[in-house]
Amino acid sequence: EAGVTQFPSHSVIEKGQTVTLRCDPISGHDNLYWYRRVMGKEIKFLLHFVKESKQDESGMPNNRFLAERTGGTYSTLKVQPAELEDSGVYFCASSQWNNEQFFGPGTRLTVL
Amino acid sequence: AQSVSQHNHHVILSEAASLELGCNYSYGGTVNLFWYVQYPGQHLQLLLKYFSGDPLVKGIKGFEAEFIKSKFSFNLRKPSVQWSDTAEYFCAVNAGSNYQLIWGAGTKLIIKP
Repeated sequence: EAGVTQFPSHSVIEKGQTVTLRCDPISGHDNLYWYRRVMGKEIKFLLHFVKESKQDESGMPNNRFLAERTGGTYSTLKVQPAELEDSGVYFCASSQWNNEQFFGPGTRLTVL
Repeated sequence: AQSVSQHNHHVILSEAASLELGCNYSYGGTVNLFWYVQYPGQHLQLLLKYFSGDPLVKGIKGFEAEFIKSKFSFNLRKPSVQWSDTAEYFCAVNAGSNYQLIWGAGTKLIIKP
């Protein structure tokens, strides 16, 4: 069984540019989550999809962040325009129900 | 607001030493509790979880954790650590019907060979 995959693994962009992160969950997992870890801080929840619907987006920092999950399969997280404080590692996870969340390797985003 | 506190940010031990990593949470209702680990260069992976039942739960690689409801604690233990346990350990909780995980700050564990 393939695990959660994320692309790209690293992204370096300049302030004001746009970046799109992609997450492919484990096949059959309806629940998909995005988390972020800013350097030196704890991992923070961003949002939770159930299939294609946003179940909880209470952790999204502001309207520069847009997450989509068209068709209930893979998800994208777009940051536009990126700011310096957006730098960090973005994790995606998936689960079948409210049990173990399986994590991808993360995307390390650096905004210069 | 819910929060999770991990007592130590860095722990250094010698091989064969015993390990206990503290985790406390703040939430008055029903919680699900998790310990995740991230080995160098690898994904976050689940060590163990508690949903209900026996408060002493056993996980992979010889780890165990005890849920003490009265203390709002879920401490992680291992009787004898190995060099391969060098990693960052995270305590996390979710509460009720809310699936989002609330995380502690993580503990970096270094085992000296």
